[in-house]
Amino acid sequence: AQSVTQLGSHVSVSEGALVLLRCNYSSSVPPYLFWYVQYPNQGLQLLLKYTSAATLVKGINGFEAEFKKSETSFHLTKPSAHMSDAAEYFCAVSRASTGNNRLAFGKGNQVVVIP
Amino acid sequence: DAGVIQSPRHEVTEMGQEVTLRCKPISGHDYLFWYRQTMMRGLELLIYFNNNVPIDDSGMPEDRFSAKMPNASFSTLKIQPSEPRDSAVYFCASSLDGHRNADTQYFGPGTRLTVL
Repeated sequence: AQSVTQLGSHVSVSEGALVLLRCNYSSSVPPYLFWYVQYPNQGLQLLLKYTSAATLVKGINGFEAEFKKSETSFHLTKPSAHMSDAAEYFCAVSRASTGNNRLAFGKGNQVVVIP
Repeated sequence: DAGVIQSPRHEVTEMGQEVTLRCKPISGHDYLFWYRQTMMRGLELLIYFNNNVPIDDSGMPEDRFSAKMPNASFSTLKIQPSEPRDSAVYFCASSLDGHRNADTQYFGPGTRLTVL
């Protein structure tokens, strides 16, 4: 079964500093990987996804993530944090095969941006 | 497009009462998912449908939970009887084509359920 691990439930970052959220996956087959963001009192919104094309994936709001098979990782980064980046971020994995796009989500990282 | 629509946004009920949550997926989407989000367990998939047919309900906690999708534009998640431990945010999501596993799931705003 597929799964993802996100360490550190709360992440504090200073405004203007690098945002780095770590995600490691476990999958017996080639995975598809996703990062979603959840703003307060809202549903989840897709930031970016890896679908076996380019290993460096660029998403919305200046975020990007790099797929590293050797490290089974898909870490999310943003060079300079904005106050508006305060939200919860979820990494998710699905099987790269036909059948369904059932997602397995990580526990999430609550990002706090310090002025 | 209006996106995925869920109602009600908030529901407060007493233990033992029946609760019905509603979802309207994005028009043209073949897949519909119901999730539950709690602090303790995070985001859990409860059940999903393909073309109105339930495909996997292994995440449904127990027989008190049931879900239906009578047509392509409407789904319900029912809890009967409700218990305090059912308190959570329930999300509905839809996607265009689940056979292409990279298809994005679009989430509704959620229903915050409180069972007293």
